[in-house]
Amino acid sequence: AQSVTQLDSQVPVFEEAPVELRCNYSSSVSVYLFWYVQYPNQGLQLLLKYLSGSTLVESINGFEAEFNKSQTSFHLRKPSVHISDTAEYFCAVSDPAGGGNKLTFGTGTQLKVEL
Amino acid sequence: NAGVTQTPKFQVLKTGQSMTLQCAQDMNHEYMSWYRQDPGMGLRLIHYSVGAGITDQGEVPNGYNVSRSTTEDFPLRLLSAAPSQTSVYFCASSPRVSSTDTQYFGPGTRLTVL
Repeated sequence: AQSVTQLDSQVPVFEEAPVELRCNYSSSVSVYLFWYVQYPNQGLQLLLKYLSGSTLVESINGFEAEFNKSQTSFHLRKPSVHISDTAEYFCAVSDPAGGGNKLTFGTGTQLKVEL
Repeated sequence: NAGVTQTPKFQVLKTGQSMTLQCAQDMNHEYMSWYRQDPGMGLRLIHYSVGAGITDQGEVPNGYNVSRSTTEDFPLRLLSAAPSQTSVYFCASSPRVSSTDTQYFGPGTRLTVL
């Protein structure tokens, strides 16, 4: 069975400061890793995903995440946040070996960007 | 494309009532699923479908039924609503049955059971 841990339920940060949202996963098999973002009163949308290849993946709005197999982590970072980044961020995993499209989500991290 | 649509946006039920949450997608996606979102628990999979006529249970299926008679529609039925089913429900779809595919989420239905 897989599990995803997001240790920080809330992360307050000032605008233009850097931020890191932590994600650790537990799985006995290789997994695919995703970050989804949920803006207020909306559904989730994909931010970025790691399937294979380069361990550093980037999104179009400046976020990046690094897959670290030895530490079973997939932390999300942004060097300079904007007010519009205020949202809830979910880390998720899927199982390539027969899990199909089923995603196991973490409990989410609420990022609040302040002026 | 409208993407994934859900109706209603809000619903209040009394304990014991039944209702159907509607979900539709116009992207010809094979895979569809239902999640519930509860504070501090993330999203949990209720039911999913890998194509028309095929459905299966997820992590928390009790109290819910689904069917998939067409590729486009995947309604979720609450048979006898309970306060524990108060939650936000999201429908999602993916182009293929593949663990690499992005899932596209609808805007959600906020359900309160009194």
